[in-house]
Amino acid sequence: GQNIDQPTEMTATEGAIVQINCTYQTSGFNGLFWYQQHAGEAPTFLSYNVLDGLEEKGRFSSFLSRSKGYSYLLLKELQMKDSASYLCAVKGVNFNKFYFGSGTKLNVKP
Amino acid sequence: DTGVSQDPRHKITKRGQNVTFRCDPISEHNRLYWYRQTLGQGPEFLTYFQNEAQLEKSRLLSDRFSAERPKGSFSTLEIQRTEQGDSAMYLCASSLSYSGTSGTDTQYFGPGTRLTVL
Repeated sequence: GQNIDQPTEMTATEGAIVQINCTYQTSGFNGLFWYQQHAGEAPTFLSYNVLDGLEEKGRFSSFLSRSKGYSYLLLKELQMKDSASYLCAVKGVNFNKFYFGSGTKLNVKP
Repeated sequence: DTGVSQDPRHKITKRGQNVTFRCDPISEHNRLYWYRQTLGQGPEFLTYFQNEAQLEKSRLLSDRFSAERPKGSFSTLEIQRTEQGDSAMYLCASSLSYSGTSGTDTQYFGPGTRLTVL
């Protein structure tokens, strides 16, 4: 089976740094993706890790440890527009199926 | 911009009616996926096409659901005899993958079709 866990909700202050964790137990692994989803909108791609370590893209960074089944998304210099749900998704080995977590709703306060 | 498009964006129907949704993927993408998302949950995989071939279907996809991608371009998802439990956002995504490599295969999502069954 597939099990992907993320915190349900987090709150942070504008300008701060926030780390959103994701743990996974899947029968196969072919990469981990992070998506941002604003309410009522489609998920948009943020970052991708397939090897252990940190991937940095501007204000967003994502880390992966395959041995621990763990990833995090780091958001720096938070802005109000970063208030959204952040989805962790594991790409399986069969037909590249994505398994999504339930998402972490991030509230950014002034 | 030639991102993934979906039509309609919203659909309200009565229980028992049939509905059909359309997805137009990014033009050069060979893979197309359908997902269903309910409030507070992440997207759940429904089915997947590589070009025109439907390669996998989730057990979530009951016999009331059918999907096609007749020419390997746009896809349709039909739900027959809709039930209130079918109310959800139906998301389509597409990706590009080269034969023999897994690559990044990043999935890009359309805006979704929100279905409400009364």
